[in-house]
Amino acid sequence: DGGITQSPKYLFRKEGQNVTLSCEQNLNHDAMYWYRQDPGQGLRLIYYSQIVNDFQKGDIAEGYSVSREKKESFPLTVTSAQKNPTAFYLCASSIVGISGYTFGSGTRLTVV
Amino acid sequence: AQSVAQPEDQVNVAEGNPLTVKCTYSVSGNPYLFWYVQYPNRGLQFLLKYITGDNLVKGSYGFEAEFNKSQTSFHLKKPSALVSDSALYFCAVRDWDNDMRFGAGTRLTVKP
Repeated sequence: DGGITQSPKYLFRKEGQNVTLSCEQNLNHDAMYWYRQDPGQGLRLIYYSQIVNDFQKGDIAEGYSVSREKKESFPLTVTSAQKNPTAFYLCASSIVGISGYTFGSGTRLTVV
Repeated sequence: AQSVAQPEDQVNVAEGNPLTVKCTYSVSGNPYLFWYVQYPNRGLQFLLKYITGDNLVKGSYGFEAEFNKSQTSFHLKKPSALVSDSALYFCAVRDWDNDMRFGAGTRLTVKP
């Protein structure tokens, strides 16, 4: 079955460490997205990519980095520069245009 | 810029009663509107969308939404609520050239 997979489901990080969240899709979608979800704030866009080897900053890109070396993969690195990284992170993909998004099941990151 | 507003943080209804979750939008061109549902610690699941055509859109799990251009609204409705409908609901808008913008979410609680 086609879908979008995020791993791990839960992740703990010590302050000052970088951590990478995985997102893989087998839907042949061109576009991929990373969102951060905090209680009461909805979804905020971190980065998005519409084509391999290209990506754009979203509304809250500071302290995050991404790569898009393959169509299927769009990993997100939460760097030590992100001051408040504890959140639920959602990856999504879509065809380019006016289609809806398909979401992964999310990664909950906690800084300890 | 495109945006959506969900004016209610919380909606409470009794099982068997009709439910409405409100959404208003702002977009410069033609609106492409979506509703998603999120269960705890899960990604967002697609419910329905309006692209063009009939103003009443039917979706998954018995949900429907009414597009009202004059009121710039896209309210989600269901004739008879179930306890299992309790979840977080997001309205979203997209236009051709831009990524999807989400509302802050409305928590629906259906009481037995």
